[in-house]
Amino acid sequence: AQSVSQHNHHVILSEAASLELGCNYSYGGTVNLFWYVQYPGQHLQLLLKYFSGDPLVKGIKGFEAEFIKSKFSFNLRKPSVQWSDTAEYFCAVRGSGTYKYIFGTGTRLKVLA
Amino acid sequence: NAGVMQNPRHLVRRRGQEARLRCSPMKGHSHVYWYRQLPEEGLKFMVYLQKENIIDESGMPKERFSAEFPKEGPSILRIQQVVRGDSAAYFCASSPPVGAQETQYFGPGTRLLVL
Repeated sequence: AQSVSQHNHHVILSEAASLELGCNYSYGGTVNLFWYVQYPGQHLQLLLKYFSGDPLVKGIKGFEAEFIKSKFSFNLRKPSVQWSDTAEYFCAVRGSGTYKYIFGTGTRLKVLA
Repeated sequence: NAGVMQNPRHLVRRRGQEARLRCSPMKGHSHVYWYRQLPEEGLKFMVYLQKENIIDESGMPKERFSAEFPKEGPSILRIQQVVRGDSAAYFCASSPPVGAQETQYFGPGTRLLVL
């Protein structure tokens, strides 16, 4: 079955700590991968996406993610978080060339000032 | 450039009433998608529409739910005779015509509470 797993449901970090949020997917075939962020009271915004090419993808606000095909993973990283990174983060996958996104359950990140 | 607009942002209905959720896509986008997010779950695909056409409604419940995207005006997700289990956040996304690099852009969601 097609699915996305985000193992960390809640993460609490202090400012300047490093962040890594896990994302594993189950999907047959070529995939496109996405990370979205939802700040409190706002809509989902695209952080970064992977379609093809360099498996290390850089996004906005200092985030990056690495696609490891052999592990079916697309973990999100940031070397030093800020209080303003407090939000919910969603990983999503879709079959290449298709439109149906499959989302993970999200990870709520709280950064302490 | 306005993003995807959804209204209302919050909607309260009593059991048995109808809920109408509206979505205006980004300018230049002709494709609309609806997703539902139940508490503690990820977003689940419901339906994909182009102007005047339903392309894929495989994620829609078989009864009480319908969606449209008329030639003029916003896309509407309609839930008839709501029940408590319909309480959720409903997100709309839009995109330009589907292509290899196309990305969906999401609205702020409508949070439906059924009493």
